[in-house]
Amino acid sequence: SQQGEEDPQALSIQEGENATMNCSYKTSINNLQWYRQNSGRGLVHLILIRSNEREKHSGRLRVTLDTSKKSSSLLITASRAADTASYFCATDSGNTGKLIFGQGTTLQVKP
Amino acid sequence: NAGVTQTPKFQVLKTGQSMTLQCAQDMNHEYMSWYRQDPGMGLRLIHYSVGAGITDQGEVPNGYNVSRSTTEDFPLRLLSAAPSQTSVYFCASRRPGLATEQYFGPGTRLTVT
Repeated sequence: SQQGEEDPQALSIQEGENATMNCSYKTSINNLQWYRQNSGRGLVHLILIRSNEREKHSGRLRVTLDTSKKSSSLLITASRAADTASYFCATDSGNTGKLIFGQGTTLQVKP
Repeated sequence: NAGVTQTPKFQVLKTGQSMTLQCAQDMNHEYMSWYRQDPGMGLRLIHYSVGAGITDQGEVPNGYNVSRSTTEDFPLRLLSAAPSQTSVYFCASRRPGLATEQYFGPGTRLTVT
């Protein structure tokens, strides 16, 4: 079974609004990563948060991590139509080489 | 750098046929992985490798074989294709160690009839 589960599965908002996506996972991790996938393309890395970090920012992205609840959230502020994509969390348990992905959240930002 | 490349982009197979999906990276990454993506299922790990000569099974390895003879290449073999293997396949690579980001190829869309 997959490590990460994301919520909601789909999200539709207006341009300028904030979008929040949540990810829950099952086992202990070294770090958690978020990726973006535009329709028909490969995934692109957005941001990585280590298990000893609680919050991280990158431009309009804010990621939080709560290891006690085994959950993470991705906030995209002031969304744009170009943010329309699917977003995936992925967990890395350490030097195993494995990166396990969740099912993803499909975000639609309406102009 | 070309990054991670995959060939072919599209493939149609008949049930029972075999084929190899090619993946190559020019970033000297030790770690490489194969995923399949199906609607509503996200990405599921098929096989992965932590270096030349070392491979291991992921979440859904049945029906697929891999080998890693060089750092650059990580081919995925379907021995006897089944309709259930219709999917989009992504290859990915990353540097070894903790907290490294993964780079993805553009994907191969496979249909098995």
